[in-house]
Amino acid sequence: GNSVTQMEGPVTLSEEAFLTINCTYTATGYPSLFWYVQYPGEGLQLLLKATKADDKGSNKGFEATYRKETTSFHLEKGSVQVSDSAVYFCALSVNTNAGKSTFGDGTTLTVKP
Amino acid sequence: DAGVTQSPTHLIKTRGQQVTLRCSPKSGHDTVSWYQQALGQGPQFIFQYYEEEERQRGNFPDRFSGHQFPNYSSELNVNALLLGDSALYLCASSLGDREEKLFFGSGTQLSVL
Repeated sequence: GNSVTQMEGPVTLSEEAFLTINCTYTATGYPSLFWYVQYPGEGLQLLLKATKADDKGSNKGFEATYRKETTSFHLEKGSVQVSDSAVYFCALSVNTNAGKSTFGDGTTLTVKP
Repeated sequence: DAGVTQSPTHLIKTRGQQVTLRCSPKSGHDTVSWYQQALGQGPQFIFQYYEEEERQRGNFPDRFSGHQFPNYSSELNVNALLLGDSALYLCASSLGDREEKLFFGSGTQLSVL
């Protein structure tokens, strides 16, 4: 079956630090990969996505590259801000049906001023 | 433009009871997916409704059932509640079942005592 494994958190960084959150996956076929962000009291929001190998998704300074050879989709940001504090979820879907996605358990990021 | 709305926000039930959760998709969307998010875990796919039919189902027992109405809104019903059903229930909408961008509601927090 399909599965997503994220690095365990929580992660605490100082403002302007470099962020990496690791994500690896197992899937049948050729999945699309996503990063979602969940701010306190809110629903999940799509942060970025990549639909095929070597694609790079990017948004709001965050980036992730679809690495088929290592089955990974690590999230990175060069300089985090306090407002980036949230829970980040890596996810995959197959057959372009994002409605049936498989999620990781999330990584809580806290950024301190 | 209204996003995905869910009701109620919070709900407390006792074991053995039945519960109905409601979701209105984002304007223009016709597909609704339901997820269960236990504390500290990622969302788990329950089922997806498109054209008023259940199109996909995750690994959940028959106690979990749903419905989609002609206006695309949806209900999630859970019978014979168990303590383990306590979770945040998320609704996500999209346009069609081949769409890769999901919009999530803020969820219904269900507590089973």
